[in-house]
Amino acid sequence: AQSVTQLGSHVSVSEGALVLLRCNYSSSVPPYLFWYVQYPNQGLQLLLKYTTGATLVKGINGFEAEFKKSETSFHLTKPSAHMSDAAEYFCAVRGGSARQLTFGSGTQLTVLP
Amino acid sequence: DTAVSQTPKYLVTQMGNDKSIKCEQNLGHDTMYWYKQDSKKFLKIMFSYNNKELIINETVPNRFSPKSPDKAHLNLHINSLELGDSAVYFCASSQDTSSYNEQFFGPGTRLTVL
Repeated sequence: AQSVTQLGSHVSVSEGALVLLRCNYSSSVPPYLFWYVQYPNQGLQLLLKYTTGATLVKGINGFEAEFKKSETSFHLTKPSAHMSDAAEYFCAVRGGSARQLTFGSGTQLTVLP
Repeated sequence: DTAVSQTPKYLVTQMGNDKSIKCEQNLGHDTMYWYKQDSKKFLKIMFSYNNKELIINETVPNRFSPKSPDKAHLNLHINSLELGDSAVYFCASSQDTSSYNEQFFGPGTRLTVL
């Protein structure tokens, strides 16, 4: 079985501040982990993914995430928030042989001027 | 060029009606999916096809019937629409069924049942 918990359904940061969106997963096998972003009235777009290898993964738009097996976490960060980062962010997990991707409940990021 | 496209983008209909949503991908992918996103933004897989064969069929009412005429298309037909069917429906595709492959999503179809 696999599951994803995103702590904080809403996160607000000031423009220029650090963005930290939390994701913890549960998987009985080594997981593949993904972060997707959804802008208003649009579909989901991949930000980054972890499969194997380097645990610090860099994605688009300056985002990165670190896979920490001991903490079963895959938190998403960005050093400096832009207004354009305001969106819904989803963490997702898929175990090695799992048939499907399991999404977290999402975190709405608000960027304050 | 749109990678995954869906039509229509908005669908407003009365209870009891039958409606279809179409999805097409031009990425050459083997695997396609239908997701439902509820009002709280929760995403739930409904169906998945690989090379036109159904491989995931989650607990979804029989009123929902997917159909894949070829690898590039996955349509969703809904009979006897109910109020609870109101949601945003997303089509997605991936290169194949491998777990490490990302999924590419369409823009969504917002279904409103009155």
